[in-house]
Amino acid sequence: KNQVEQSPQSLIILEGKNCTLQCNYTVSPFSNLRWYKQDTGRGPVSLTIMTFSENTKSNGRYTATLDADTKQSSLHITASQLSDSASYICVPMNTGFQKLVFGTGTRLLVSP
Amino acid sequence: KAGVTQTPRYLIKTRGQQVTLSCSPISGHRSVSWYQQTPGQGLQFLFEYFSETQRNKGNFPGRFSGRQFSNSRSEMNVSTLELGDSALYLCASSLGLVGETQYFGPGTRLLVL
Repeated sequence: KNQVEQSPQSLIILEGKNCTLQCNYTVSPFSNLRWYKQDTGRGPVSLTIMTFSENTKSNGRYTATLDADTKQSSLHITASQLSDSASYICVPMNTGFQKLVFGTGTRLLVSP
Repeated sequence: KAGVTQTPRYLIKTRGQQVTLSCSPISGHRSVSWYQQTPGQGLQFLFEYFSETQRNKGNFPGRFSGRQFSNSRSEMNVSTLELGDSALYLCASSLGLVGETQYFGPGTRLLVL
């Protein structure tokens, strides 16, 4: 069973619209969670990192939320731009094995 | 400061061959991790090297091996290639503290025919 489930798998939105990507995880013990953005043909780039005690963190138009009790996280993108078209990957950290556990990502396409 | 670099960027091999991929981390970073990315599977952790020692290992067969040099540059080797080894291989570097942000290279895309 996947330890990280992301939804939706893919999403198309119009430029300027907002969207929210979801991440449910079962990783335990858990210490922190990252969201990465991966453009096609490139390596992932870190957007946010939150510890288990943080509820929200912003990076420009990106806002991540975390509920460590329900093991859910979300990434909200405001006023989307064409350059936001990418895969967004949720990555909780398994403290026990000191390993990052990668979700399969949500592929976002922002249409003009 | 230069980012993480990987060479080659693209590679085509045939089944049974072996391949060596190279990764140069950000200057000052001592940890290098390797990942395999295939469609639908996400990133799968291969192994991590810190100060020339393998510090962590994923669940890949022994055909996958790596090493790190004294300048922190790392190589990954895959022997007896299989069709299923076709993937994007990414390396990521960090200072080496557990839980800190990793910086990814652009990856090496390997195609096994």
